[in-house]
Amino acid sequence: RKEVEQDPGPFNVPEGATVAFNCTYSNSASQSFFWYRQDCRKEPKLLMSVYSSGNEDGRFTAQLNRASQYISLLIRDSKLSDSATYLCVVNRGGNNRKLIWGLGTSLAVNP
Amino acid sequence: DVKVTQSSRYLVKRTGEKVFLECVQDMDHENMFWYRQDPGLGLRLIYFSYDVKMKEKGDIPEGYSVSREKKERFSLILESASTNQTSMYLCASMIQGDQPQHFGDGTRLSIL
Repeated sequence: RKEVEQDPGPFNVPEGATVAFNCTYSNSASQSFFWYRQDCRKEPKLLMSVYSSGNEDGRFTAQLNRASQYISLLIRDSKLSDSATYLCVVNRGGNNRKLIWGLGTSLAVNP
Repeated sequence: DVKVTQSSRYLVKRTGEKVFLECVQDMDHENMFWYRQDPGLGLRLIYFSYDVKMKEKGDIPEGYSVSREKKERFSLILESASTNQTSMYLCASMIQGDQPQHFGDGTRLSIL
């Protein structure tokens, strides 16, 4: 089993749709969780950190479920510019500096 | 905003050459990282450094070395470049263990 697993997609959605991605992780000691966005041939960019109580940033909502060891990302009112690969990232436990990267979920928002 | 600068966006080298990739960050971060990213394999950690002159191997250190003589600069060295080291190389920095990492633009390295 991979340490971080994501559905690779692609998810094809129309503009304005709501789309959700899940990501499961295997290390129950992981303490830090992030969603990154990566555009084609570019570097990953931090989208949002994921906190225990869940958090929202505009159209984006992230949730953490420690019992089931998954994190989720919800995108509301999708824009064309949301088309990208979304990377789920967790740390290796405690304050471990090393991160474990998922392979990403590809999203295409269509007009 | 954190600024991480990688010395080259594109680089072409020959098999057997010694290759240096440079990375500089401007936020006084303790931690710096080198990854490579390949299709279907995701980001893989090569080396990281948690302080000047301190380094630790990542998941795929073979064929690479690193140097951190100053806090702001972290260099990746391909001792004798091989074609299987053709990849996108990404440098990142991080302030402390529970914070996110911030990336440079990446270097697309081709070894011929």
